[in-house]
Amino acid sequence: AQKVTQAQTEISVVEKEDVTLDCVYETRDTTYYLFWYKQPPSGELVFLIRRNSFDEQNEISGRYSWNFQKSTSSFNFTITASQVVDSAVYFCALSETLYSGAGSYQLTFGKGTKLSVIP
Amino acid sequence: DVKVTQSSRYLVKRTGEKVFLECVQDMDHENMFWYRQDPGLGLRLIYFSYDVKMKEKGDIPEGYSVSREKKERFSLILESASTNQTSMYLCASSLLVREEETQYFGPGTRLLVL
Repeated sequence: AQKVTQAQTEISVVEKEDVTLDCVYETRDTTYYLFWYKQPPSGELVFLIRRNSFDEQNEISGRYSWNFQKSTSSFNFTITASQVVDSAVYFCALSETLYSGAGSYQLTFGKGTKLSVIP
Repeated sequence: DVKVTQSSRYLVKRTGEKVFLECVQDMDHENMFWYRQDPGLGLRLIYFSYDVKMKEKGDIPEGYSVSREKKERFSLILESASTNQTSMYLCASSLLVREEETQYFGPGTRLLVL
């Protein structure tokens, strides 16, 4: 069974600080996909990034960066120079193939990290 | 642009009522999903559908049923609502039935069962 652990339940930072959100996963699959989503107070989950297990290059998108370490089964998310608009719950998720043939799959989500950025 | 809509943002129902939650996507996606989200538990999959009239149970299907009569619409049904079904319900869709496909979420429905 797959598992995604986000050990940080809540984090508070002062605006302009950098913050890293941790994500550790467990899977027996050799091919898998990892995702990060943002859930602002409005409730809708917003897709941020997808990473496959064969691509260990770090990714940067503006103030956001992601560090994928297959050796430690981690996919951490860093926000540089945080802003109040970054306040949200962030979810890490792992894609799992349920069975072959139909090829159905599902996402296993971590329990989320609530980030509060204080002005 | 990706668009998933849910029929209600907030819903209040009484115990024993039959409740319908509707989800519509306009992206011609094959896959559709229903999750519930509870504090401290994250998102848990209730049901999903990979084609019209097809459905598969997720992790917590008890007390729920679903219907997918048209490709763009996926309904979640609470046959007899109970207080422990008070939750945030999120619908999602993805283009193809492949594990690398990104799921896109609707705004959610906050259901309160009294």
